Amino acid sequence: DIQMTQSPSSLSASVGDRVTITCRASQSISSYLNWYQQKPGKAPKLLIYAASSLQSGVPSRFSGSGSGTDFTLTISSLQPEDFATYYCQQSYSTLYSFGQGTKLEIK
Amino acid sequence: EVQLVESGGGLVQPGGSLRLSCAASGFTFSSYEMNWIRQAPGKGLEWVSYISSSGSTIYYADSVKGRFTVSRDNAKNSLYLQMNSLRAEDTAVYYCARVNLKRFVSYMDVWGKGTTVTVSS
Repeated sequence: DIQMTQSPSSLSASVGDRVTITCRASQSISSYLNWYQQKPGKAPKLLIYAASSLQSGVPSRFSGSGSGTDFTLTISSLQPEDFATYYCQQSYSTLYSFGQGTKLEIK
Repeated sequence: EVQLVESGGGLVQPGGSLRLSCAASGFTFSSYEMNWIRQAPGKGLEWVSYISSSGSTIYYADSVKGRFTVSRDNAKNSLYLQMNSLRAEDTAVYYCARVNLKRFVSYMDVWGKGTTVTVSS
């Protein structure tokens, strides 16, 4: 099975900050990497698919990069509505797996 | 509007069974692969099961293999998860999610709001 590891597990930042979250796969997954945002009590929302493609309707301050085993999600200028938990997910294997999540909190 | 609505959650005793349903609307259900994902209280997301558009290909996480059965009825635009031999560690919110595909990469672009399963005596 492919293990996904995110860092950091939690992060405090301020509105306007640039934030980067990292996701590492236990083996190469090419660009089969997606990012989701989840707010408390809500379903996850797709942000980025195929490592760097922005899902329709998602603000352009979100971007993704990477391939192989190392990936990043960047938020260029944090907005109040961005404070949430973020998950990476691999679809290289049909036995999908998620990272443990990164909780982004207000400093 | 593209929508997924889960139902069937509830309180069940350890060793019991429950059947979850996911009703799809606003898109051609029979054309899409589907997943079940769960989230235990205060924990992260865990993929549970996958089913192909025709239902011919199915996968399960090791944690539920042999106990859970996924199925679909394309005529009824519905996805199901039959859960048997339930354990306390199966307590979670269960989401159904649509699988989409672009540039050979699959991702989950539509999610239901979830249904809560509690396994407790």
